[in-house]
Amino acid sequence: GENVEQHPSTLSVQEGDSAVIKCTYSDSASNYFPWYKQELGKGPQLIIDIRSNVGEKKDQRIAVTLNKTAKHFSLHITETQPEDSAVYFCAASIGGGSYIPTFGRGTSLIVHP
Amino acid sequence: GAVVSQHPSRVICKSGTSVKIECRSLDFQATTMFWYRQFPKKSLMLMATSNEGSKATYEQGVEKDKFLINHASLTLSTLTVTSAHPEDSSFYICSAVKTEAFFGQGTRLTVV
Repeated sequence: GENVEQHPSTLSVQEGDSAVIKCTYSDSASNYFPWYKQELGKGPQLIIDIRSNVGEKKDQRIAVTLNKTAKHFSLHITETQPEDSAVYFCAASIGGGSYIPTFGRGTSLIVHP
Repeated sequence: GAVVSQHPSRVICKSGTSVKIECRSLDFQATTMFWYRQFPKKSLMLMATSNEGSKATYEQGVEKDKFLINHASLTLSTLTVTSAHPEDSSFYICSAVKTEAFFGQGTRLTVV
């Protein structure tokens, strides 16, 4: 089955800096890669996603890149703010039909004011 | 995005009792919902796939008689933790798929 590796497990940055979280996946059939933000005591919230037919997607301060050949994808957050502090999960799945994402282990992002 | 509502957000129960957690898709119909368990500082562990009108599919190692799942309608799935024990204390999260997976806000279960 699919295996998703996520790094780093913890990321500490100063407010205004950029943050990058990287994930790799094993199943070349995976074609949908969402990113979730989970705040303490809450469920994960989808913040951005990318499908395998594109290499990059951006939404304001958040961007995701995908390299299908290398089977890795990354989340980029620019101009970080304290409210960006949370746990971020990447996931990979085969879209369509039964959708069961495989999650990475999570990255705890801490943005220091 | 779509809204998935999970209830209750927190529950404390005594050992040996049963607890029911509800997961509702508020603005779309979901033939499939998923139940996850999350330990502190860990990722989401898929417990089971809930299928409307049929039996749930459980992941390996998850006791189906302990974690009863019912998906009686296209907008509601329930997870019942039966004869709860302190080791069942955890954060339980459901999700429903529209075009992407949307998650409920989670339920913190504490068994005392």
